[in-house]
Amino acid sequence: DAGVTQSPTHLIKTRGQQVTLRCSPKSGHDTVSWYQQALGQGPQFIFQYYEEEERQRGNFPDRFSGHQFPNYSSELNVNALLLGDSALYLCASSSLGAGGITETQYFGPGTRLLVL
Amino acid sequence: AQSVTQLGSHVSVSEGALVLLRCNYSSSVPPYLFWYVQYPNQGLQLLLKYTSAATLVKGINGFEAEFKKSETSFHLTKPSAHMSDAAEYFCAVSADYGGSQGNLIFGKGTKLSVKP
Repeated sequence: DAGVTQSPTHLIKTRGQQVTLRCSPKSGHDTVSWYQQALGQGPQFIFQYYEEEERQRGNFPDRFSGHQFPNYSSELNVNALLLGDSALYLCASSSLGAGGITETQYFGPGTRLLVL
Repeated sequence: AQSVTQLGSHVSVSEGALVLLRCNYSSSVPPYLFWYVQYPNQGLQLLLKYTSAATLVKGINGFEAEFKKSETSFHLTKPSAHMSDAAEYFCAVSADYGGSQGNLIFGKGTKLSVKP
């Protein structure tokens, strides 16, 4: 059973460019969340997708957007990249249980983005 | 609002010694609490979680944590450290209510070193 997979593993961009990161959830999961982990910090919640819609969002600007596909995979898009966007981007998948309760999240290996 | 504080950004122990990593939380509702481990250049792996059942929670790799409401703490322990335990450990609380385990708020992490 494949766990959460992410691509690419590493990426280098320059300021002002746009980037797309991809995530495939663990088999049986229907919910995908994205987190940003800056160097030396804990992960910060960006947003969560369920049924192809953004369900929750953390304190991130509109430059950060996402998408979820019918097969539950997801993309994270970041526009107008800033130096401060350099980080490890983690995808986590889970199931949405009864009453809209998010069950335990499982994390992928992450995509390390460097903005020059 | 929920928050997590991890005391000590770096802890060093000898192989075979007790491991104690400290986490204090702030929450206005009964919290769901988690410990994750991150090995170098990898994503996060769930060690254990507290979801309002037993206050002493056993996890993988011999780790356990005790939820103490009176002290608002959820410290992680392991009786005997192994070299393979060297990693960064993150405590997290769910920002969602009603038992949802999404939208995790992480501490800044504690890097554990194990000396031979």
